Amino acid sequence: GAVVSQHPSWVICKSGTSVKIECRSLDFQATTMFWYRQFPKQSLMLMATSNEGSKATYEQGVEKDKFLINHASLTLSTLTVTSAHPEDSSFYICSARDSRGLAGGMADTQYFGPGTRLTVL
Amino acid sequence: AQKVTQAQTEISVVEKEDVTLDCVYETRDTTYYLFWYKQPPSGELVFLIRRNSFDEQNEISGRYSWNFQKSTSSFNFTITASQVVDSAVYFCALVSMDSNYQLIWGAGTKLIIKP
Repeated sequence: GAVVSQHPSWVICKSGTSVKIECRSLDFQATTMFWYRQFPKQSLMLMATSNEGSKATYEQGVEKDKFLINHASLTLSTLTVTSAHPEDSSFYICSARDSRGLAGGMADTQYFGPGTRLTVL
Repeated sequence: AQKVTQAQTEISVVEKEDVTLDCVYETRDTTYYLFWYKQPPSGELVFLIRRNSFDEQNEISGRYSWNFQKSTSSFNFTITASQVVDSAVYFCALVSMDSNYQLIWGAGTKLIIKP
């Protein structure tokens, strides 16, 4: 239980294009999902908290118009990097909070997707 | 303020040795959760354990064990008889009721197990 998928696992795109990353909780419903960015040899940096049916809450310094988040259902959240530039190249990881603990038996635990490596040329 | 400190940036041991990864946390909340996650070279974060603030019992799972000490605000992780497959970055993290379920992350400890 408590599986989170993320798609695509890697993407290479040209500067100026938009890239959409999907995060799905496969065997539990997640009212809250989180999007992180991780630079090489660093810890995870929270970008935003995505709540189903409402607007995402962005961390300070994260551009809302640059990183569009949509949490349309209890099992899907998407992150769209708009007009990507080389400095957006990074490892993006999503997590889903199993609020009821029905999947893994651990309520309020975040389970992570495998990550998406974005390279912008 | 909430904070998680993993003072060990990198640890290197020879296979079959025991190794302990340290984690010290700070929080004013009385109700909180502590976590350990493993991040192998593939990048995926693997959930290892969650411990709530009211349960100070130590936990053992195979070669892994965790020592939760509220008196010293520590939640240390020990791998017994380490194996090469244990090589990864290990993160300790904290969630409190007042943090909106956001994980407060330690910087991570890179563990290298040499054959």
